[in-house]
Amino acid sequence: EVQVLESGGGLVQPGESLILSCAPSGFIFGDYSMSWVRQAPGRGLEWVSSISGNAGSTYYAAAVKGRFTISRDNSKNVLYLHMKSLRADDAAIYYCAKGTTYYYYNMDVWGQGTTVTVSS
Amino acid sequence: EIVLTQSPGTLSLSPGERATLSCRASPSVSHHYLAWYQQKPGQVPRLLIYGTSNRFPGIPDRFSGSGSGTDFTLTITRVEPEDFAVYYCQQFGDSPFTFGPGTRLDI
Repeated sequence: EVQVLESGGGLVQPGESLILSCAPSGFIFGDYSMSWVRQAPGRGLEWVSSISGNAGSTYYAAAVKGRFTISRDNSKNVLYLHMKSLRADDAAIYYCAKGTTYYYYNMDVWGQGTTVTVSS
Repeated sequence: EIVLTQSPGTLSLSPGERATLSCRASPSVSHHYLAWYQQKPGQVPRLLIYGTSNRFPGIPDRFSGSGSGTDFTLTITRVEPEDFAVYYCQQFGDSPFTFGPGTRLDI
C-alpha cells in the first residue's frame, strides 16, 4: 500500500526551530515529487513547499521562504521540512503529500499529518 | 502569484441535486496544472481531478472537471450524502503553488 507518514511535530516557542520528517512506503520515492501542505485549525489548505523527484527543484510559499527548507534523501527514503524562526501563525497540521509524477505537484497520497504548535 | 478564487463559499443542496463549483485563476493557469480535492471533516484531503478534467482512479464518474485559462469548474451530477465536504482547487503552474479558499458543500 502506498503511504506517507509524518513525524516531528510538537510544541515550540516563537523563534525556535523544528524539523519535520516524512517516511514513504509502497512506491519508488525518487520517482515522485513531494510536498508539504499545512492547515491551521478551522482553516483551509495552505501549500507550504514542494520538491521535485531528484531534489533539483524546490518551491516555497512566500510566508515561509527564507525560514523553511525542504529537502529529501532518496537513498534513505525520507523527506524533510526544516523550519526556523517559527511564529504563531505557523501553527497548523502539516501534511506530507506525494506528487503524481516526478515533476507534477498535484498530490495523490497524503499522510495523516503532524501537529506544530507555536506558543510561549 | 496565481490567486485562486472559489465560489460560492458555501453551497447548500439536497442529495440528488447537481453541484457546480467554480474556481477562478488570476492570472491564467494551464489546464495541465489545475487539480481538485475533497476534504471531509476530520479526514485528509483526497485528490479528485487532475489536469482540469481527469478523474483520479477510484473517483466516481458523477464527479467531472472542466475549464481553461481563468475559469474552471467541478461538477457533481447528482450529489450523494457522502459528497458533503469542502472542495479545494489547486494550481501548480507557477510558484508559489496555491490552493483556493474552498467551497463547502452542505446539506
